[in-house]
Amino acid sequence: EAQVTQNPRYLITVTGKKLTVTCSQNMNHEYMSWYRQDPGLGLRQIYYSMNVEVTDKGDVPEGYKVSRKEKRNFPLILESPSPNQTSLYFCASSSQGLRSTEAFFGQGTRLTVV
Amino acid sequence: GDSVTQMEGPVTLSEEAFLTINCTYTATGYPSLFWYVQYPGEGLQLLLKATKADDKGSNKGFEATYRKETTSFHLEKGSVQVSDSAVYFCALSSSGGGADGLTFGKGTHLIIQP
Repeated sequence: EAQVTQNPRYLITVTGKKLTVTCSQNMNHEYMSWYRQDPGLGLRQIYYSMNVEVTDKGDVPEGYKVSRKEKRNFPLILESPSPNQTSLYFCASSSQGLRSTEAFFGQGTRLTVV
Repeated sequence: GDSVTQMEGPVTLSEEAFLTINCTYTATGYPSLFWYVQYPGEGLQLLLKATKADDKGSNKGFEATYRKETTSFHLEKGSVQVSDSAVYFCALSSSGGGADGLTFGKGTHLIIQP
């Protein structure tokens, strides 16, 4: 089954404690992306990757890092989380970028930073 | 920059009612337009898309027509069901330079009552 898998689904952490949210896709997609979803703001792109070893900033990259060492994986790293990063995070992938092809989304990771 | 404006909910309808969710956009060039749906506790799923002016996207009884003259992509369904209760996101993909990805509206929460 074609899918994007994120882990964990729920995470509560403390300010400053480094964490990683993993994302893996099994569709051999070149393009992967991270979004955060906040009430009243919709979804905003954090980072994206056009292929292995190629990453770029989205609209809200501050406080986040990503890496793309393998095609299937695109982890999101918060080196020093802060309460304003409390949000619902989604990973997405598609075969050629999001401009005209379908994006597949993971089920989301709800992060709370206290 | 690119932006998407959609009516914010919640929108509450009775089963079998006619549905319209308005969506207008601002973009340079010729973006592709999408409607995504998010069911409770799940990630976003592509509902329908249109890639050029006057295209009509359709799926599961939902329709939307790409209207370049009014920069709109309104979502319609003739007879809604309780199972259509979800959050609906209008989105566009940039066709110009800059960050590659989808620009989302804030989402419309649709509630269908039996």
